[in-house]
Amino acid sequence: GQQLNQSPQSMFIQEGEDVSMNCTSSSIFNTWLWYKQDPGEGPVLLIALYKAGELTSNGRLTAQFGITRKDSFLNISASIPSDVGIYFCAGPANNTDKLIFGTGTRLQVFP
Amino acid sequence: GAVVSQHPSRVICKSGTSVKIECRSLDFQATTMFWYRQFPKQSLMLMATSNEGSKATYEQGVEKDKFLINHASLTLSTLTVTSAHPEDSSFYICSARGPGEPYNEQFFGPGTRLTVL
Repeated sequence: GQQLNQSPQSMFIQEGEDVSMNCTSSSIFNTWLWYKQDPGEGPVLLIALYKAGELTSNGRLTAQFGITRKDSFLNISASIPSDVGIYFCAGPANNTDKLIFGTGTRLQVFP
Repeated sequence: GAVVSQHPSRVICKSGTSVKIECRSLDFQATTMFWYRQFPKQSLMLMATSNEGSKATYEQGVEKDKFLINHASLTLSTLTVTSAHPEDSSFYICSARGPGEPYNEQFFGPGTRLTVL
């Protein structure tokens, strides 16, 4: 079935640093969604991408929809302590409205 | 907009009892809601799709008689874990498909932590 693999699995960075993470699949997705999950909470939608090559920003966050439609990238600039959490990519399975979630990237930010 | 709530946020129950979790869309109508389960340090796994006015559709491997889903109105879906056992302990999260286009953005509730003793 369709799978989304995220890398890195975890990151430990210092406040102020920039962060890059990616999400890859062996199959094509027509939509890429990036969510952030704080401990004990539900995921919160950060950015949605709908076109191959699309680059979208939300504050310090920037995400790109890969040209091949098989990957997506999320960048966080000038990280702050509240960026701590797990970042998930997600995409609709086989053009349904069901979402497949990636394996997640756990981000730790040290002051 | 697009706020989803869940109740309760945390529940502890004895093995063999049933637990009901509510999921509400607060400021929009949701014809479709989704129920996920998340084990510690793992990703979200879709359990079932809840459609208003019709039967839920379950993912492969999810027992429909154990996880009863009712989507009786456009703003409420409930998940009942029947005869809960310790292995059912998990973080249950619901989501609702957002209003209008694009149709595949989902908005999530805050989750319910279930602990079965």
